[in-house]
Amino acid sequence: DAKTTQPPSMDCAEGRAANLPCNHSTISGNEYVYWYRQIHSQGPQYIIHGLKNNETNEMASLIITEDRKSSTLILPHATLRDTAVYYCIVRVRAAGNKLTFGGGTRVLVKP
Amino acid sequence: GAVVSQHPSWVICKSGTSVKIECRSLDFQATTMFWYRQFPKQSLMLMATSNEGSKATYEQGVEKDKFLINHASLTLSTLTVTSAHPEDSSFYICSARESAGLSNEQFFGPGTRLTVL
Repeated sequence: DAKTTQPPSMDCAEGRAANLPCNHSTISGNEYVYWYRQIHSQGPQYIIHGLKNNETNEMASLIITEDRKSSTLILPHATLRDTAVYYCIVRVRAAGNKLTFGGGTRVLVKP
Repeated sequence: GAVVSQHPSWVICKSGTSVKIECRSLDFQATTMFWYRQFPKQSLMLMATSNEGSKATYEQGVEKDKFLINHASLTLSTLTVTSAHPEDSSFYICSARESAGLSNEQFFGPGTRLTVL
């Protein structure tokens, strides 16, 4: 699976949009971009995934660049409960394929 | 979404004892379950992949005789930490993948915090 690079930490203001970047310059054609988050002392929570088109669900939006070498997770209106470590993972969406977690971005939402 | 539970949520044990952690998929069947370990301030590290009815596949550096994994049914996998020592103290997290294969997504349990005295 391709490696990802994320900033180690970022702060954002409550009520504002939070834009979390991820670089995955070695991504291959059959690899998807996944985002998970982990709130302190809990298991990871799935947020969203995509291949090449932008995706949106009730939690977030995922913007993938045309060359697929980077992506941005957007939390449209950050709340204090969005404080967590956010992981960007690239992997082939095949049966049994494991998720490999990198360092993630520690996001602190401030009032 | 699909729910994965773990039991216990936390456990404290004496050095040298064995501890069993259960991972259950509550509303779906899981052919494959994964076990992760997470030390403080660090990311999740995959320990092993557990397939129902067959032997688990361990990641490099993980001792299979120390971390026994059993996946006897489509809804239950267990991890037994044998002869636990203080360095085994960690946050253990399981995840499960739906057997139906329609989503291929993994759903994570809430984790089990193990403290070995």
